[in-house]
Amino acid sequence: DAKTTQPPSMDCAEGRAANLPCNHSTISGNEYVYWYRQIHSQGPQYIIHGLKNNETNEMASLIITEDRKSSTLILPHATLRDTAVYYCIAAVISGTYKYIFGTGTRLKVLA
Amino acid sequence: ETGVTQSPTHLIKTRGQQVTLRCSSQSGHNTVSWYQQALGQGPQFIFQYYREEENGRGNFPPRFSGLQFPNYSSELNVNALELDDSALYLCASSPGRSETQYFGPGTRLLVL
Repeated sequence: DAKTTQPPSMDCAEGRAANLPCNHSTISGNEYVYWYRQIHSQGPQYIIHGLKNNETNEMASLIITEDRKSSTLILPHATLRDTAVYYCIAAVISGTYKYIFGTGTRLKVLA
Repeated sequence: ETGVTQSPTHLIKTRGQQVTLRCSSQSGHNTVSWYQQALGQGPQFIFQYYREEENGRGNFPPRFSGLQFPNYSSELNVNALELDDSALYLCASSPGRSETQYFGPGTRLLVL
């Protein structure tokens, strides 16, 4: 299972885009990239996932490089409520669909 | 809100005791996964249940066991509790084995 690497912390000004990078250089062809966030030790909240193509939903955009070795989660207009720990996960598609979490990026949105 | 509920929310036990944690999956979901999250760490996969059968296990000893019921709710049992078992225990349900997982709020276990 691929391991993911993220910066431990980042700051972002409120109203600006937050760009959170993730390295997953050992990802294999059958592993999706997932992003979750966790606020104050609540359960992780699903944000978005993708395999090869860029994805967008109401919460965020996910940009995956062509070689799939890295990705970026973009929160287009960060608010104070987006302050959380963000986890990038590689998840195998078949068999046991387990998530391998790293230590995540602690994003602080500043007023 | 994901529709996944867990009980109890908090629990205090002493070393050597046994504990049972419960999870109700989201309606329409037949798969439940359990994770352990120590303070300051990311969640670690314990095991997954799909249609009442264990469908994979992480690197946890046999004293961590589980069950899934016909209504797809699930239990996590931990025997012979150790101090290092103190953690937030998360369950996540999904509509199938290889589908996006939706997490409950967790049960915080403290072992003294």
